[in-house]
Amino acid sequence: NAGVTQTPKFQVLKTGQSMTLQCAQDMNHNSMYWYRQDPGMGLRLIYYSASEGTTDKGEVPNGYNVSRLNKREFSLRLESAAPSQTSVYFCASSEQLASSEQFFGPGTRLTVL
Amino acid sequence: GNSVTQMEGPVTLSEEAFLTINCTYTATGYPSLFWYVQYPGEGLQLLLKATKADDKGSNKGFEATYRKETTSFHLEKGSVQVSDSAVYFCALSNRDDKIIFGKGTRLHILP
Repeated sequence: NAGVTQTPKFQVLKTGQSMTLQCAQDMNHNSMYWYRQDPGMGLRLIYYSASEGTTDKGEVPNGYNVSRLNKREFSLRLESAAPSQTSVYFCASSEQLASSEQFFGPGTRLTVL
Repeated sequence: GNSVTQMEGPVTLSEEAFLTINCTYTATGYPSLFWYVQYPGEGLQLLLKATKADDKGSNKGFEATYRKETTSFHLEKGSVQVSDSAVYFCALSNRDDKIIFGKGTRLHILP
């Protein structure tokens, strides 16, 4: 089992460019999440998907969109990147939304110039 | 609502020292409690968990006991190693909501 995989590992964008971060899990989990981690800020939830076909905003959704493509895949899109979106992005999944541990991917380090 | 408060870091210790990282929580009902660890350049991984009061989670020499009377889940290790240097996150998950993470505590172990 690969667990949670994320692509790409690193990305540099110019302000205004768009990109999509990909995430996939092979554990048959129902729930998936996108977080960002800034230095000294801990984790902040961007969006989550409780189950296939549903998505909800987290703590910091502005500037992002998500798609739960199927049960395995959950993508995060930046339509017009800004320097404030420079961060490390983590995807995670869990068996269900509540009372359930999360499994994390290795992260994508994004720099917006 | 649900929340987690953990001690701010960084925490710097010498090798073989005793470690405690404090974590307290606020929650309705009976949440599950977790400690996650993040090594440099990696994602978070589960270190240990406890699902009911008085349960003790343990892994890799780390322990934490679910104390409902003090709403705490402090992380302890008797003798730390340089390889334990990482960021540690306390977290809770309640039956009515998704997991909530604390802000993380950075641990530095000096040889």
